[in-house]
Amino acid sequence: QKEVEQNSGPLSVPEGAIASLNCTYSDRGSQSFFWYRQYSGKSPELIMSIYSNGDKEDGRFTAQLNKASQYVSLLIRDSQPSDSATYLCAGRGGGGNKLTFGTGTQLKVEL
Amino acid sequence: DTAVSQTPKYLVTQMGNDKSIKCEQNLGHDTMYWYKQDSKKFLKIMFSYNNKELIINETVPNRFSPKSPDKAHLNLHINSLELGDSAVYFCASSQARTGMKGGPQHFGDGTRLSIL
Repeated sequence: QKEVEQNSGPLSVPEGAIASLNCTYSDRGSQSFFWYRQYSGKSPELIMSIYSNGDKEDGRFTAQLNKASQYVSLLIRDSQPSDSATYLCAGRGGGGNKLTFGTGTQLKVEL
Repeated sequence: DTAVSQTPKYLVTQMGNDKSIKCEQNLGHDTMYWYKQDSKKFLKIMFSYNNKELIINETVPNRFSPKSPDKAHLNLHINSLELGDSAVYFCASSQARTGMKGGPQHFGDGTRLSIL
């Protein structure tokens, strides 16, 4: 079964620190990857998408993709309490529109 | 303006009943999806339609029947509701891209279904 795996956490970081969220995937055919943020009781919100190896930066967020190692990560710089949420990693295989989600990592940014 | 909207937001009903959830998107996307998120927060695809054509049909009980009257609408009808159907159901949409199988998916606010 094609899977996306994440550590469920919680990952606790102090305010202002860098939060590092990691994700591995088993489907070598996966071409696109997405990070979603989900606050409790809310819907998933797209933060970053990444399609090629390397880093992609958007504001305080940096997504990293290493297809050889089947590894995706999200770095959040200058973490704020408002970043406290569950972060879902998702990969899309080469065969269609289907996204496979990880179980999410809960991030807590502490004052 | 809400991009992906679902109704109702909350649905509380008894076991054995039949219910429907509706979804509409105004993003001009050509692909829509239904996901189920269980109590452990695992988000799992159920169905996907592209321009009214069913393209993803995961292993879901046939009590669940999606219907897409046009590319902006995707409804989900559930027959004979069971306790295990209690979950949050999310609708999402995306746009196909040249060279890729669809852009990012955008989610509705979810429908919280509780079976008594």
